[in-house]
This record gives sequence, C-alpha cells and structure tokens, in this order.
Amino acid sequence: EDQVTQSPEALRLQEGESSSLNCSYTVSGLRGLFWYRQDPGKGPEFLFTLYSAGEEKEKERLKATLTKKESFLHITAPKPEDSATYLCAVQVRLYSGGSNYKLTFGKGTLLTVNP
Amino acid sequence: EAGVVQSPRYKIIEKKQPVAFWCNPISGHNTLYWYRQNLGQGPELLIRYENEEAVDDSQLPKDRFSAERLKGVDSTLKIQPAELGDSAVYLCASSLVGRGTGELFFGEGSRLTVL
Repeated sequence: EDQVTQSPEALRLQEGESSSLNCSYTVSGLRGLFWYRQDPGKGPEFLFTLYSAGEEKEKERLKATLTKKESFLHITAPKPEDSATYLCAVQVRLYSGGSNYKLTFGKGTLLTVNP
Repeated sequence: EAGVVQSPRYKIIEKKQPVAFWCNPISGHNTLYWYRQNLGQGPELLIRYENEEAVDDSQLPKDRFSAERLKGVDSTLKIQPAELGDSAVYLCASSLVGRGTGELFFGEGSRLTVL
C-alpha cells in the first residue's frame, strides 16, 4: 500500500531560524511529488512539482528537493507569514481501473514562525 | 481569473438529514476533484471527473454519497443521509489536464458539521 509520511507533525520556529520539513514515501511507480501550502480555513495552494531524484525547485524562502525515498522542504530565514500547514502529495501510476494515476496526500506539517 | 468556487462555506445539519455541496471549477479546467479533509489529516480523494465522466470513484461511499457533473462544468456532491462521521471539510479542486498533473487548484472548502 502506498504510504506518505510527513515529519514533524508540528514545528515551531523563531523568525529567521532555518529548518526543513520531511516527506518520506513508500510507493510503486512514482510519477511526481508535490508540495502544497494550506492556510487555516483555506484550500491547499500548489507550491512545487518534483519528478526525479536530484531535482530541486525554489520559490522565495522555500526550496524543495527530492531523493528516491523522500523529499525535503527547506525554509530559509522564515517569516511569520510562512506559518501554515505544508502538505506533501505523491502521484503514482495505476495499472488497473478506470484511471491511470492516483494522488495521495500526507497529513501535513503545521509550521508556526514566531516574530 | 476567478478561482474554484464552492458553496456553502459552512453547513450544520442533524444526522440523517441530506446535504449538498456545489462547486464551480476554474474556466477551461476539464478535470474536477472532490476531496474530504478531516481535522489534522491530508485531503482524501472521493471522486475525480474528466469532463462529464467519473474516472475514479473508488473511495466514494456509494451507499450515501453521490456526485454529478453536468455538462462537464459545475459539480454537486450529495450526502444522504448524513452520519456523525461525515463531519469534515469537503474540498473541490480542478486542473487543466486530467492525466499527468498533480497541480490542483482548490476551492476554500465546505465545512460540514453533523450533530
């Protein structure tokens, strides 16, 4: 069974204190890994897509990296406005049924950045 | 450009009552998703449409849940009768290409409370 595990469940940082969030996965036929940000009371907002090991994507203070077993979301010098839940999702190929892929989300990491 | 629009934002009902949620996707997006998100969890797919066709409804509890997407645009998700365990946020998302993308655009969700 496909599994996506995010750690830690919650992370509290001081403004400017860099850190990383982890997303480990056990899937067969990984097609892509995606990072989303979710603010309270809102739907998830797409951040990055990673397709192959060694790939990196950056956006402002965020950088996502991918290995064969996990992905990291690095946050450099975070600000209070970076506080949110960060969700990781993996897309896998399916070989049966009416659809040919499936997107599975992790439980997320709740990030709080204090001023 | 308008995003994914969902209504109602909040709904409180007694158990065994029916409830319906409506979603208007981003114009031109042929793929529409309904997800359920419980507190502290990641979104879980209920059903995915490509145009008018439901291509993945394997996780939809068909005894009480139903969905439709008439004319390949708006969609409605119905629960009848609702149970206490159905309390959750119901998220609608859309994407431009059904296959091969994990870049979903989410609405703000409909929060259901079943008493």
